[in-house]
Amino acid sequence: EAGVTQFPSHSVIEKGQTVTLRCDPISGHDNLYWYRRVMGKEIKFLLHFVKESKQDESGMPNNRFLAERTGGTYSTLKVQPAELEDSGVYFCASSQVPGGGGYTFGSGTRLTVV
Amino acid sequence: SQQGEEDPQALSIQEGENATMNCSYKTSINNLQWYRQNSGRGLVHLILIRSNEREKHSGRLRVTLDTSKKSSSLLITASRAADTASYFCATVRDPGAGSYQLTFGKGTKLSVIP
Repeated sequence: EAGVTQFPSHSVIEKGQTVTLRCDPISGHDNLYWYRRVMGKEIKFLLHFVKESKQDESGMPNNRFLAERTGGTYSTLKVQPAELEDSGVYFCASSQVPGGGGYTFGSGTRLTVV
Repeated sequence: SQQGEEDPQALSIQEGENATMNCSYKTSINNLQWYRQNSGRGLVHLILIRSNEREKHSGRLRVTLDTSKKSSSLLITASRAADTASYFCATVRDPGAGSYQLTFGKGTKLSVIP
């Protein structure tokens, strides 16, 4: 089966610009998660979708971040406007069972805000 | 509070030796998972151990869980150069807490020298 796909793999943008990251989960996985790792810190949870609904968005840092999952398939994470501290690697993961089984992660999008 | 803290932060061993990594956490958990990340790649799920389990094996991997000490260990036996990667533990809290998010530690960077 195809894995979790993230696009783009790298993005360099200027402070104040907008960037949209995309994640295609494994087909049939209702659960989709976004995580990020900023330089030198732990990988942190951002939010969890079940199908198209936000199950848990407690990790979203502020209202500059907007995640959507229209139709319950792929998801986008938009950062608008981007700030320097948003730089890091953004991971997407999907799973069939929430929390009870292993998660399949994508390779991540490395975002650099200059 | 920080959860899933790995120890040591870096480990360098010779090929064929065993590698042991430890993880401590602070809250009650439903399960604990170990992931591997090769440089520039995504996280790969290795093994999951539930809170009512004490030990689990998968190939050359052995994971233990001590819920009284809130700690886990990952043992890789007969290490290979290809095991060189960063290893992360991640916990899932009791779903009764309403969240299925993974809480990661900072990871252990393992180098296996041929």
